[in-house]
Amino acid sequence: SAVISQKPSRDICQRGTSLTIQCQVDSQVTMMFWYRQQPGQSLTLIATANQGSEATYESGFVIDKFPISRPNLTFSTLTVSNMSPEDSSIYLCSVVRGRDGETQYFGPGTRLLVL
Amino acid sequence: DQQVKQNSPSLSVQEGRISILNCDYTNSMFDYFLWYKKYPAEGPTFLISISSIKDKNEDGRFTVFLNKSAKHLSLHIVPSQPGDSAVYFCAASAFLRGFQKLVFGTGTRLLVSP
Repeated sequence: SAVISQKPSRDICQRGTSLTIQCQVDSQVTMMFWYRQQPGQSLTLIATANQGSEATYESGFVIDKFPISRPNLTFSTLTVSNMSPEDSSIYLCSVVRGRDGETQYFGPGTRLLVL
Repeated sequence: DQQVKQNSPSLSVQEGRISILNCDYTNSMFDYFLWYKKYPAEGPTFLISISSIKDKNEDGRFTVFLNKSAKHLSLHIVPSQPGDSAVYFCAASAFLRGFQKLVFGTGTRLLVSP
């Protein structure tokens, strides 16, 4: 498995502001993933972050709204920009580990409430 | 379009009995399937997985069964314990654009009572 930490663990923000979420992994990984889990819903992939290249966004998510940084192989940030109450969610990062290279391990999540 | 479905939002089981959680998928491109357990205020924890070339994988009290023709998988927990009470997510993955993309179901809340 992997040891993944996220900061902050939770936050309450005003609409129109931005929040940057940090994800730190205990060892180097090629790919990091950012997910969102809206209340009562499943986990949805926002984007994939590779070190040294632009993040790849899924349909419905854009860089202006969710800019991502990946400065090295153990760290990534996701910014939720110009927030509205609809952005209230749990945001999670994950990495691929394991011999099969197919199992994703998740951080503890950042619980965001936008007022 | 929900490609991975967990039709039972909740399941209640007595301690010591079997818990069976079900999951259906629609996309034949999926070639790897995983189950995650999630406690409140925590991230999902990987439980067990199965490749599409197998029909069963077992790890201790947890067994996953895959029926490719029916596009159905299930997670069996035997015997169930109160500590198993959590939300269980089924996920399916396919290799797309250079990585294994995971698609999650909506989850089943399992309650194991003493």
